[in-house]
Amino acid sequence: AQSVTQLGSHVSVSEGALVLLRCNYSSSVPPYLFWYVQYPNQGLQLLLKYTSAATLVKGINGFEAEFKKSETSFHLTKPSAHMSDAAEYFCAVTKTGNQFYFGTGTSLTVIP
Amino acid sequence: NAGVTQTPKFRVLKTGQSMTLLCAQDMNHEYMYWYRQDPGMGLRLIHYSVGEGTTAKGEVPDGYNVSRLKKQNFLLGLESAAPSQTSVYFCASSDLLAGVGEQFFGPGTRLTVL
Repeated sequence: AQSVTQLGSHVSVSEGALVLLRCNYSSSVPPYLFWYVQYPNQGLQLLLKYTSAATLVKGINGFEAEFKKSETSFHLTKPSAHMSDAAEYFCAVTKTGNQFYFGTGTSLTVIP
Repeated sequence: NAGVTQTPKFRVLKTGQSMTLLCAQDMNHEYMYWYRQDPGMGLRLIHYSVGEGTTAKGEVPDGYNVSRLKKQNFLLGLESAAPSQTSVYFCASSDLLAGVGEQFFGPGTRLTVL
């Protein structure tokens, strides 16, 4: 079965600092990978997705993620955190699009 | 274009009561999903549908039933609610015609079972 592990349920960074949110997947075959963001009391919005094209994927709001098959990782980064980036972030995986598996989420706090 | 909508937004039930959550999408998507979100557990798939008239079980289907009579609607039913079903429920839809793509989520339904 597929699964996703997000290391660190809470991450705090200072405004302007690098954001790094970690995601590792378990799958014998490279899957499709996604990062979603959830703001308080809202549904999830797609940040970016990896679908076997370029390994470095750029998303919205300055976020990007790099697919590393050798490390089975898909970590999310942003060079400079903004206050508006404070939210919950979820990594998700699917092989076929029938079933998606989500990580337990990482809550990002941005300190002014 | 409303996207994915969910009805109701909030609901409080007593143990043993039944209810139906409605999800509607206006993007002509084939795939629809029901998730529950609990603190520290992320989103877990309850049931999904790959097209009108079809449904399938996800990770945590027990205590729930679904129906997809119309392509644009996906109903989630609780026949006899239990406190363990207190959660936030999200509906999502996706379109795989252009390959595996993103899911579009509704705003959620917050359900409390007393």
